[in-house]
Amino acid sequence: EAGVTQFPSHSVIEKGQTVTLRCDPISGHDNLYWYRRVMGKEIKFLLHFVKESKQDESGMPNNRFLAERTGGTYSTLKVQPAELEDSGVYFCASSQAERKLFFGSGTQLSVL
Amino acid sequence: KQEVTQIPAALSVPEGENLVLNCSFTDSAIYNLQWFRQDPGKGLTSLLLIQSSQREQTSGRLNASLDKSSGRSTLYIAASQPGDSATYLCAVENSGYALNFGKGTSLLVTP
Repeated sequence: EAGVTQFPSHSVIEKGQTVTLRCDPISGHDNLYWYRRVMGKEIKFLLHFVKESKQDESGMPNNRFLAERTGGTYSTLKVQPAELEDSGVYFCASSQAERKLFFGSGTQLSVL
Repeated sequence: KQEVTQIPAALSVPEGENLVLNCSFTDSAIYNLQWFRQDPGKGLTSLLLIQSSQREQTSGRLNASLDKSSGRSTLYIAASQPGDSATYLCAVENSGYALNFGKGTSLLVTP
């Protein structure tokens, strides 16, 4: 069974550019989450999808971040325009109802 | 606002030692607590999940305990091996599925 996959694994962009991160959850997992780890800080929750619906987006930093999950399958997280403080590792995770989370390897985003 | 603290931040032990990692949290109204392992450049792997009604969970050489009233959890690793070297993260869920993470304990087990 394939795990949670994230693309790309690394992204280096300049301030002001747009970046789109993708996450493919484990097949059949209705719950999909985005988390972020900024250097030196703990991993922080960004948002939670149940199927295609945003259940909780209280952790989204600001309106430069847009997450979508069309059709309840894969999800994208777009940052537009990117700022220096957006640099970090973005993790995606998925789960079924029992809430044990399966994480992807993350996308390392560097904004220069 | 839930705050999760992990002590120590880093730990180095010789192979074969038993060790304890500590996690504390400020809001005891939790739904569950999870321990994760992260290897460099990899994602997080769930090790143990303790529901709020439970006191401990065991998996192989790992044992996690939960004292909700005092806001503490410990992860006990028996007979440590070099392959146990990784960062161990504690995460607490209060409600609504969002996890609150500690900064982690970086463990190095030397041969």
